[in-house]
Amino acid sequence: SQQGEEDPQALSIQEGENATMNCSYKTSINNLQWYRQNSGRGLVHLILIRSNEREKHSGRLRVTLDTSKKSSSLLITASRAADTASYFCATDDSWGKFQFGAGTQVVVTP
Amino acid sequence: EPEVTQTPSHQVTQMGQEVILRCVPISNHLYFYWYRQILGQKVEFLVSFYNNEISEKSEIFDDQFSVERPDGSNFTLKIRSTKLEDSAMYFCASRTGLNEQFFGPGTRLTVL
Repeated sequence: SQQGEEDPQALSIQEGENATMNCSYKTSINNLQWYRQNSGRGLVHLILIRSNEREKHSGRLRVTLDTSKKSSSLLITASRAADTASYFCATDDSWGKFQFGAGTQVVVTP
Repeated sequence: EPEVTQTPSHQVTQMGQEVILRCVPISNHLYFYWYRQILGQKVEFLVSFYNNEISEKSEIFDDQFSVERPDGSNFTLKIRSTKLEDSAMYFCASRTGLNEQFFGPGTRLTVL
């Protein structure tokens, strides 16, 4: 079964706008993490939200988690060209095995 | 700031050859992982390793794959006889417990 599916698949916005992407999952989790990946590069950890948390902030990032709906959202406020990347959510089961979604490709144009 | 390192950054090999991908996890971490990402696709879990043994592996991680922690610092992934479809980016990751999982920069494996 698919776990950690993001939508939209692609998002194109202008600098200064907010970008919102969503992630849905199927099974119970310990936590959910968001990562960024620039084209062909490694995965950069952005933020972790635990299953007993509902919202978390880090700089221009805001993550929400709704365990009843098995969904999470990532909001990037006041986007910059440097935010252009793919964003992945990863769910974490009891062994710490991550399951990644296919990602949301975000393009921020100046 | 401590980070996960991986070598080499790019490995080119002929089909049927053995490759060993190397990772140095963050020093106080206890859980180690390998993932792969075929170009344009999602990151897929391969194997998790804890207390010197495999704790979980995916269907991808068949008999051609093995992992080892030969000393206190390195964590290796061996592919015994590479296939064309093994071409991918391989990521190593580590963590202390149920916390952030930190990923290395990846090794791009190209099988010709």
